[in-house]
Amino acid sequence: DSGVTQTPKHLITATGQRVTLRCSPRSGDLSVYWYQQSLDQGLQFLIHYYNGEERAKGNILERFSAQQFPDLHSELNLSSLELGDSALYFCASSESLGDLDREGYGYTFGSGTRLTVV
Amino acid sequence: GQNIDQPTEMTATEGAIVQINCTYQTSGFNGLFWYQQHAGEAPTFLSYNVLDGLEEKGRFSSFLSRSKGYSYLLLKELQMKDSASYLCAVRKGGRTGANNLFFGTGTRLTVIP
Repeated sequence: DSGVTQTPKHLITATGQRVTLRCSPRSGDLSVYWYQQSLDQGLQFLIHYYNGEERAKGNILERFSAQQFPDLHSELNLSSLELGDSALYFCASSESLGDLDREGYGYTFGSGTRLTVV
Repeated sequence: GQNIDQPTEMTATEGAIVQINCTYQTSGFNGLFWYQQHAGEAPTFLSYNVLDGLEEKGRFSSFLSRSKGYSYLLLKELQMKDSASYLCAVRKGGRTGANNLFFGTGTRLTVIP
């Protein structure tokens, strides 16, 4: 168990729908990062939040949005879903702004949410 | 953007040594990570280089040359359980002070008996 919790593990939904993916970072981590991994694709950086504030945006579609709450958990909202949005969505957390932490790790990943759009 | 290139697939024999190369072109370079990912699972941290040279961690070593935009991951005494994808990731510093990881597409390593 990495300490990063993602729910749900699996999600099947229809095109045009909206879903919310949830991530709880490791205890003490202030940063949350969201990534999308499509079949045979690399991990695509979507967005980064630090202590409740958006810090960086990657290749995130306008139909997608995220937020980080005061308890530091984060949610990724995906709307007007298309077949091409089917992917593994990973959340990662880090102690601060991506520097190595005391244990020598930078980013710890959750086990992901597998989204299937049908 | 970030151009991060790695071979798509490699095959090696149990007990052997394999080297997985990664080249990158990016501005704001602030370190290079290697992760291991088994199919459908979370990536797990293997190694990190920010200065030129070799970092050794047990059976795994990673090398970085910043001037050449080049890194490699060396796996020794290969075991069947090392069959996985190996992801090269560049950490890039941003204007907000945040560091973010950008990944290559990964190298799928198959270890055969």
